[in-house]
Amino acid sequence: AQKVTQAQTEISVVEKEDVTLDCVYETRDTTYYLFWYKQPPSGELVFLIRRNSFDEQNEISGRYSWNFQKSTSSFNFTITASQVVDSAVYFCALSEARTGANNLFFGTGTRLTVIP
Amino acid sequence: EPEVTQTPSHQVTQMGQEVILRCVPISNHLYFYWYRQILGQKVEFLVSFYNNEISEKSEIFDDQFSVERPDGSNFTLKIRSTKLEDSAMYFCASREVPKGYNEQFFGPGTRLTVL
Repeated sequence: AQKVTQAQTEISVVEKEDVTLDCVYETRDTTYYLFWYKQPPSGELVFLIRRNSFDEQNEISGRYSWNFQKSTSSFNFTITASQVVDSAVYFCALSEARTGANNLFFGTGTRLTVIP
Repeated sequence: EPEVTQTPSHQVTQMGQEVILRCVPISNHLYFYWYRQILGQKVEFLVSFYNNEISEKSEIFDDQFSVERPDGSNFTLKIRSTKLEDSAMYFCASREVPKGYNEQFFGPGTRLTVL
């Protein structure tokens, strides 16, 4: 069975600090996909990144970077030089290839508050 | 840029009433989904739909729920007899039929309040 754990329920940082959001997953599939979504106060779900299980390259996009490590089943998300607009709930999610529909299984989310 | 739309944005209903939540997926997408998020909790998968039939459903998606694609553009979620615990944000999502994998794109959600 699949499982996504985001142990950090809430994090507060002061603007311009770096922050890392942790995500640990469990799956029996050898092919799977990992995601991060942002949910701002307005409530919508904003796609940030997808990672395939066979691609362990880390990725950087502006102030965002992701560290995927299969050995520890982790897919952590780092925001560099945080800004107030980064305040949101961030969800890590897993999708297994064995299900043709590729349903998403979400973690419980981490609420990030960036204090000006 | 194409986007998933949902109506209404907020629905208030009395317990026991039927509600229909509507979604218009992105036009060239063929996989459709409903997810639910109870206030302050995680997003939970309800059902996926492909080729005019349910592809997968979760334990939450019991007999009081149904989905339909009544025409070429809409995708609906019906709750037959609402309960207080059905109060939640309901998200519709869609994706293309992939050769590899394609992201699911989410609509803005419908907030359902059952009184």
